Amino acid sequence: EAEVAQSPRYKITEKSQAVAFWCDPISGHATLYWYRQILGQGPELLVQFQDESVVDDSQLPKDRFSAERLKGVDSTLKIQPAELGDSAMYLCASSFPGTLNEQFFGPGTRLTVL
Amino acid sequence: AQSVTQLDSQVPVFEEAPVELRCNYSSSVSVYLFWYVQYPNQGLQLLLKYLSGSTLVESINGFEAEFNKSQTSFHLRKPSVHISDTAEYFCAVSKAAGNKLTFGGGTRVLVKP
Repeated sequence: EAEVAQSPRYKITEKSQAVAFWCDPISGHATLYWYRQILGQGPELLVQFQDESVVDDSQLPKDRFSAERLKGVDSTLKIQPAELGDSAMYLCASSFPGTLNEQFFGPGTRLTVL
Repeated sequence: AQSVTQLDSQVPVFEEAPVELRCNYSSSVSVYLFWYVQYPNQGLQLLLKYLSGSTLVESINGFEAEFNKSQTSFHLRKPSVHISDTAEYFCAVSKAAGNKLTFGGGTRVLVKP
């Protein structure tokens, strides 16, 4: 069964360092989402791509976060510099046009900033 | 803007007992409604969804949810839980196909033997 892949699964870093997360959506899924899930809360959208274009990045802290999906397939989310408050689970999801918004989630990357 | 409220942050329940997880939403437009389940150290899995039609929707593992437009609710129920249902459950809404999901804060279900 096709799945959304994410790496790394776990990342520990010190504040002020740079970190990057990678996501490979299900083949053929044009829409890709990055969510942040703080411990004890529901996920919140950071950025949404349609193919290689950003559709919604209104909640992305653009002073330190960046996201790209250069060829409209896999995507990278970067944080530079990392802050203590960035400790969270970062979830990637993808969906196929016409499936009425059924989003398929990857296993996530758990980031700990020390 | 939409918002989702899950009224219970934790629900302890004995095995084979029924469980209900409450979800209320607010939105100025029609929405699609979803329940996702998250097992420890895993991503979210879609449990069931309401898009249109019958207000009662069911999942393959015995959960059901009922859309109540007048009360803006989408409560999740299961008549008899198993140990394996221990997980966190998230209610979510979306304005339209392809739009972002807005999640509630989650309800942690702990099934006790």
